[in-house]
Amino acid sequence: NFMLTQPHSVSESPGKTVTISCARSSGNIASNYVHWYQQRPGSSPTTVIYEDDQRPSGVPDRFSGSIDSSSNSASLTISGLKTEDEADYYCQSSDNSSQLFGGGTKLTVL
Amino acid sequence: QEQVVESGGGLVKPGGSLRLSCAASGFTFSDYYMSWIRQVPGKGLEWVSYISGSGNSIKYVDDVKGRFTISRDNAKNSLYLQMNSLRADDTAVYYCAGGLGWDLPLDYWGQGTLVTVSS
Repeated sequence: NFMLTQPHSVSESPGKTVTISCARSSGNIASNYVHWYQQRPGSSPTTVIYEDDQRPSGVPDRFSGSIDSSSNSASLTISGLKTEDEADYYCQSSDNSSQLFGGGTKLTVL
Repeated sequence: QEQVVESGGGLVKPGGSLRLSCAASGFTFSDYYMSWIRQVPGKGLEWVSYISGSGNSIKYVDDVKGRFTISRDNAKNSLYLQMNSLRADDTAVYYCAGGLGWDLPLDYWGQGTLVTVSS
């Protein structure tokens, strides 16, 4: 099995850009898609990025995703931060036998 | 409108059993693989189990193997999780979620049902 490691928390000011990383401990990050979910307090998760870098309809283009094989990690970047972006963000990926979520990153916009 | 609604959570004693249900509507249920994901309040998401659209492929996280059983009834657009030998660390909100494939995102999530294992 593998692990996905995210920073516990990040904070940034409105209008700025923040990047949340998701490092895969073993196995190639590019071998399975990475998806990103946003979870606001009291709500269920919703997809903000799927298949590494695809954005669902309705998600602002301020949200973008990428993977980096050299660091075996994925990243979620949110530009032009808004207070409404304040939430927990989770990366998710899989291997042949299991699916896994990262530990989650609490984004504070202040 | 696509909707997923979980039910069956509650308070159960350690060693007890509980059956969770998930009712889906607004999408072709049999096309979707379904998963159970749990979240201890205030903590992160943990994938628990998966079942393919046909029910022929099933996977579990190691911690629940032999204790939990996932199943589905496509005629009733329903997903189930039979949980036996429950432990205190199974306490969590359990979400039902569906996606179009093992490596694809979970498109539809329910609101979750709380399972509390305590004496």
